[in-house]
This record gives sequence, C-alpha cells and structure tokens, in this order.
Amino acid sequence: EVQLVESGGDLVQPGGSLKLSCAASGFTFSNSYMAWVRQAPKKGLEWVATISTSGTTTYYSDFVRGRFTISRDNAKSSLYLYMNSLKSEDTATYYCASLPTVAPGYFDYWGQGVMVTVSS
Amino acid sequence: DIQMTQSPHSLSASLGETVSIECLASEGFSKCLAWYQQKPGKSPQLLMYYGSSLQDGVPSRFSGSGSGTQYSLKISNMQPEDVGVYYCQQGYKYPLTFGSGTKLDMK
Repeated sequence: EVQLVESGGDLVQPGGSLKLSCAASGFTFSNSYMAWVRQAPKKGLEWVATISTSGTTTYYSDFVRGRFTISRDNAKSSLYLYMNSLKSEDTATYYCASLPTVAPGYFDYWGQGVMVTVSS
Repeated sequence: DIQMTQSPHSLSASLGETVSIECLASEGFSKCLAWYQQKPGKSPQLLMYYGSSLQDGVPSRFSGSGSGTQYSLKISNMQPEDVGVYYCQQGYKYPLTFGSGTKLDMK
C-alpha cells in the first residue's frame, strides 16, 4: 500500500522559515517524480513544486520560486520542502504527492496533508 | 500558463442521476488531463488520467472524455459517496494548473 506521510507543519511568523517532510513507503520512491500541492483554507488546489527522480530537475510555481526549495533523499524515501520568506498567502494545507513514472504530469497518490499557518 | 475553466461551480444530484462536469483549457493539448475527487475533510484522490483512463479502484460509473481544449467528467448513477469537490488538472506543461473545482452534493 502506498503511503505518503507529511510532517513539519506549524504556525510561523511572516518572513519566517519552515521545513516540510514527506515519508514515502509502499512503492519504489526513487522511480517516481514527486511534488508538493497546496490548498489554502476553503480554496482550490494549487501546484507548488515538482522534482525529478534523481533530484537534478526541479519545477516551481511563480508564487514560490526563489523562496521555496524542493529536494529529496532517495536513500531515505523522503521528500522535503524548504520554505523561506513566508507570507500570509502561503497559509495552506500542503500535500505531498507522487507522479506516475511513465507520465509525470499528474498526481497518482497523495498524503494526508500538513497545515502551515503564516501569521503574526 | 494554461488556464483551466471548470463548470459548473456547484451542482446537486439525486440518487441514481447522471451528472457532467466540464473543463475548458485556454490552449489545446492531447489528453494530458486528470480528474480528482476530494471528499469532505480528505485528501484529493485521482479518478481519471489521460482524459479517459480510469484509475485503479475507481468505480466504472465515472467516465471521462474530451480532447483539445474541452474535457468532461461524467458520473452515472449518482451515489451518496460521490459527494465532494471535483477538480480537473492539465499535465501538458508547467506550471501544472487545476480548475477551480465543482462542488457536488446530494439532493
């Protein structure tokens, strides 16, 4: 059974930093692109970032480019999101998601999500 | 960026009814379209990919169609467990973008 378990969510002040983690199991992590998708309270889904299998290629939404960094550790089957210069509009539930190996354009499995609140 | 315009914003269906949700892309692509269901308080789940391919474990009353800029999701024989919010998403190019969602509830 595929499992994606996020952690690291917290209340943080504007301008602060946070690191999110996602522990993966039940599939060959090193063969899958991985991503973060967020959902502001009562709002829709918004893609944040994607990372290739080896970690050498990354993609970011314009809203987070330059402030967030996605990375992975295939030996630990873990995905990370380093979030800097946080703004109130970054307040959201952050989901870790896997992308299928053959066509990494959509999200086949999702974690339960972790809440990030940016407020003073 | 490819904008995804989803309609309707919300709809209600009776038990056993058939409903359709539409998604219009700002530029065309070849079936790189996925549909997700998000039940209240839960994470999104993949329903369809490549426009019309059913994800494993998804009931066959869900079906997808379309190409180019127009795509649709049909739910036949509406069941209580189908209540939730449905999103389309294009996987053709970055940035990956979602529709705004369609809230489906039961009459």
